[in-house]
Amino acid sequence: SQQGEEDPQALSIQEGENATMNCSYKTSINNLQWYRQNSGRGLVHLILIRSNEREKHSGRLRVTLDTSKKSSSLLITASRAADTASYFCATVRTGANNLFFGTGTRLTVIP
Amino acid sequence: GAGVSQTPSNKVTEKGKYVELRCDPISGHTALYWYRQSLGQGPEFLIYFQGTGAADDSGLPNDRFFAVRPEGSVSTLKIQRTERGDSAVYLCASSLTPGAAADTQYFGPGTRLTVL
Repeated sequence: SQQGEEDPQALSIQEGENATMNCSYKTSINNLQWYRQNSGRGLVHLILIRSNEREKHSGRLRVTLDTSKKSSSLLITASRAADTASYFCATVRTGANNLFFGTGTRLTVIP
Repeated sequence: GAGVSQTPSNKVTEKGKYVELRCDPISGHTALYWYRQSLGQGPEFLIYFQGTGAADDSGLPNDRFFAVRPEGSVSTLKIQRTERGDSAVYLCASSLTPGAAADTQYFGPGTRLTVL
């Protein structure tokens, strides 16, 4: 079963704008990770944030984590057409080893 | 270096047939995971290997699904008596050390299984 939900389900923006995607989850976690998927196939790991961290940056990506609200957000700044993809959050539950994925946000960046 | 590879990339079979899906993890990675992704959904965990043994198979949907990793490297996911509902993309991932808590999982391109 899915661990959580992303919203929005779909997001369409102009190139150069910022894109924000949100993720909610249900259980206690060890860490939360964001992945990108192109064309419904291979998943690419973007960033990992641990449960004791609140914010993390990687290039144009900024991730926040609020464990009290069981939510996370992914911000992509200065978006590019190449950022068009589906984005998934995935959690590692406390005591588990596998990833539990959300339902994904489909991002379209219009050139 | 080479990433995770999966074969075949596409598999079409008829209902009731047996299929095998193969995963070659990144060399030296001790942990291997199988996930299944249905259209429009996020991947769902199936099974996790630590070395040769299945450390967690709680995600396997029923006893028609089975996976092996006899030498601690290549893994094969086996599906017996396939059903139309088994149609999905089957993803394999590996990580250097056991436990997603400690390490990034690297995903293969997946095998798209279609059961007619």
